[in-house]
Amino acid sequence: DVKVTQSSRYLVKRTGEKVFLECVQDMDHENMFWYRQDPGLGLRLIYFSYDVKMKEKGDIPEGYSVSREKKERFSLILESASTNQTSMYLCASSRQGVESTEAFFGQGTRLTVV
Amino acid sequence: GQNIDQPTEMTATEGAIVQINCTYQTSGFNGLFWYQQHAGEAPTFLSYNVLDGLEEKGRFSSFLSRSKGYSYLLLKELQMKDSASYLCAVLDSNYQLIWGAGTKLIIKP
Repeated sequence: DVKVTQSSRYLVKRTGEKVFLECVQDMDHENMFWYRQDPGLGLRLIYFSYDVKMKEKGDIPEGYSVSREKKERFSLILESASTNQTSMYLCASSRQGVESTEAFFGQGTRLTVV
Repeated sequence: GQNIDQPTEMTATEGAIVQINCTYQTSGFNGLFWYQQHAGEAPTFLSYNVLDGLEEKGRFSSFLSRSKGYSYLLLKELQMKDSASYLCAVLDSNYQLIWGAGTKLIIKP
């Protein structure tokens, strides 16, 4: 059974804290993604990575950074958490290739910044 | 800009049929996905269309018209467990997924 695992389901952090969200996949996928999901806005891409040590900005990278030191792990970092970063964060992975690139999602991390 | 539109919310009756529409304007097209997302859970894959026409998979079918920038997801014999959000996503010319905001489907007995 394929799996994408996020380190926490629920997280509460204070404004200004540095926050780490971890994601691990066991499918040997090349591609990994971080999204945030807010009501009425759909999934918005923060960062993605097509290979180890490689990262690309998505649509809303401001206030975030990422790290991919190993193929199976993709970390999202909030350098200094702010209340507008309260959201559901979803990690996903997919195979590389030109054919159907179905994405597999983790269970999500609901982050509240107070 | 890139845009995907789908209704915010729909209501249907158990046992009935419902059609959820999705229209898109994207830079290029390499396929369209439908995902199901139950409240508080991760999205799960339902279907993928890259050619025009209807793809049937059990109670769920997905249709695509590339010339019209249009797709729909058809759910038959609705069950209470089908209450969820349904997300439409398009793979653009850079093989990036562009997501719609999702349609919340409410099933009533």
